[in-house]
Amino acid sequence: DTAVSQTPKYLVTQMGNDKSIKCEQNLGHDTMYWYKQDSKKFLKIMFSYNNKELIINETVPNRFSPKSPDKAHLNLHINSLELGDSAVYFCASSLNRGWDEQFFGPGTRLTVL
Amino acid sequence: GQNIDQPTEMTATEGAIVQINCTYQTSGFNGLFWYQQHAGEAPTFLSYNVLDGLEEKGRFSSFLSRSKGYSYLLLKELQMKDSASYLCAVRSDPGAGSYQLTFGKGTKLSVIP
Repeated sequence: DTAVSQTPKYLVTQMGNDKSIKCEQNLGHDTMYWYKQDSKKFLKIMFSYNNKELIINETVPNRFSPKSPDKAHLNLHINSLELGDSAVYFCASSLNRGWDEQFFGPGTRLTVL
Repeated sequence: GQNIDQPTEMTATEGAIVQINCTYQTSGFNGLFWYQQHAGEAPTFLSYNVLDGLEEKGRFSSFLSRSKGYSYLLLKELQMKDSASYLCAVRSDPGAGSYQLTFGKGTKLSVIP
């Protein structure tokens, strides 16, 4: 069974569109994260939620809005997509905020044309 | 702020030993992690050091010196499947338990026959 899953795996869209990426974990973890990995493979934290509460909110354009309906799900909605948003987005989870290990989802490759 | 430095690329021979270094400057240091990422896949956890010294896990070992802001990952008996990027990541605690993981840009290791 997949521990951290993301949909879709690939997303190709036009500039200006709005899109969402979904993430689910079945590990019973309290804390979930969104990371962005750019073309140079640099992995950078965007958001973190602990038990549906936002605890990390890095300097990310407010076109990006995370939503956590429950502690097993953390979705990412992106408005008015720009070319620079093209990247791989990884969802991850950890047992709690004082974790030793994060488990990553397979990633969503977003291409904005 | 955080500053993490690791070599961009390394090449080593199958069966050999390779050491990947990582230096960091950070406030609120709370642990150092190593992740492995194969091309097109998600990062996976390798090791974690919070105290000075060596942690051994099979063919992989990780060392930390907090006073020097230095860590290394040692891979023994290299196998072709070890060809991947190795990400050094520093956990910091800016306060209120909102731990944050900051990744280095990764070291791409190529194992050759």
